[in-house]
Amino acid sequence: ETGVTQSPTHLIKTRGQQVTLRCSSQSGHNTVSWYQQALGQGPQFIFQYYREEENGRGNFPPRFSGLQFPNYSSELNVNALELDDSALYLCASSLDRTDEKLFFGSGTQLSVL
Amino acid sequence: SQQGEEDPQALSIQEGENATMNCSYKTSINNLQWYRQNSGRGLVHLILIRSNEREKHSGRLRVTLDTSKKSSSLLITASRAADTASYFCATDSTTDSWGKLQFGAGTQVVVTP
Repeated sequence: ETGVTQSPTHLIKTRGQQVTLRCSSQSGHNTVSWYQQALGQGPQFIFQYYREEENGRGNFPPRFSGLQFPNYSSELNVNALELDDSALYLCASSLDRTDEKLFFGSGTQLSVL
Repeated sequence: SQQGEEDPQALSIQEGENATMNCSYKTSINNLQWYRQNSGRGLVHLILIRSNEREKHSGRLRVTLDTSKKSSSLLITASRAADTASYFCATDSTTDSWGKLQFGAGTQVVVTP
């Protein structure tokens, strides 16, 4: 048990719609990162938030955006969904930016039809 | 794109045997981590080895790192059915990349009783 929870566990959306995925980090963890994992692949870094500000971004378009809140919760928003956005979305928290060990949630499986 | 490449892609062994998987990466790193994932769920941190270390042990796990060859190996000794999972190596390649890990595509390990 990592202490990181994500909701919902599964989601089905239609192309062009918008989606919000939620994550609750361990108490005291002020850094959260989001990853996208396509079927049969390793996770790909989307972005990281540190103390409610974006602290780095991977190779994802601006329609992927995020928020981090003072209560250790965070959101991943994806606009104008595309079929290729179908994947497992994982959030991972760490105690601080300098903490290399990540604690992952169980993920949200997003299917875009 | 994936930073690391795991080899083999899949591995099937019997309980009690050892499982060895390898990871190669492309750029200079600060550290390399191994994570485990059960059935498309969240990842669990197994072990971290720093760039100035050559070998590390944790229980039944042994990790080696060869920075000159940009490669690492993970050995699981005396495997159990519960070790069935996908194993990923993950690297960070800049000084300010905490939490921004680059993962390989993983090795799927099946341990039969």
